Amino acid sequence: EIVMTQSPATLSVSPGERATLSCRASRTVINNLAWYQQKPGQAPRLLIHSSSIRATGIPDRFSGSGSGTEFTLTISGLQSEDFAIYFCQQYYDWPPLTFGGGTKVEI
Amino acid sequence: QVQLVQSGPEVRKPGSSVRVSCEASGDTFSSGAITWVRQAPGQGLEWMGRIIPIVGITDHAQILEGRVTIVADRSAATAYMEVTNLTSEDTAVYFCARGHPGNEYYLDVWGKGTTVTVSS
Repeated sequence: EIVMTQSPATLSVSPGERATLSCRASRTVINNLAWYQQKPGQAPRLLIHSSSIRATGIPDRFSGSGSGTEFTLTISGLQSEDFAIYFCQQYYDWPPLTFGGGTKVEI
Repeated sequence: QVQLVQSGPEVRKPGSSVRVSCEASGDTFSSGAITWVRQAPGQGLEWMGRIIPIVGITDHAQILEGRVTIVADRSAATAYMEVTNLTSEDTAVYFCARGHPGNEYYLDVWGKGTTVTVSS
């Protein structure tokens, strides 16, 4: 199975700053990569699919990039509601679909 | 608007089974897939399996070694996920999610989750 590794595990940023989250795949997933946001006690929410396409209703301060094995989620101008855990997920080679371990974005 | 409504929390003893339901509104069951993902306390997301209700095709995570059964009742627009021979390691929040209509492998609508606690 493809192993997804996210870094850093925790990212400390201030409101208004930019956050850059990384996700690495153990082998190529082309651009079959999604990002999710999860807040405490809630289900994940789809942010990005196909590496860089925002899901419906997602603000444009969220952007995704990358292909192959290296991917980045950038959150520009962090707002208070953006402090959460972010997961990447590959859907190129399955089963199983696999997720990264998550990056917690905190103040 | 598509919604997924899951059944309530469960407490089970080791060695027993649990079944979680996921009722879909909208036209989810006429196309697409329902995927099950679980999350142990403080941990990441683990794919368990999925079903395409319209044709009944299922896939399961090999790591669960045949302990997971996923079925769908199209007349009730409800998917079910059963885990047998529970251990403490199965304590988790179990989510159902809809595969995006454009590509079923990323998940655009999620249920709120069902907490399953396995304890003697």
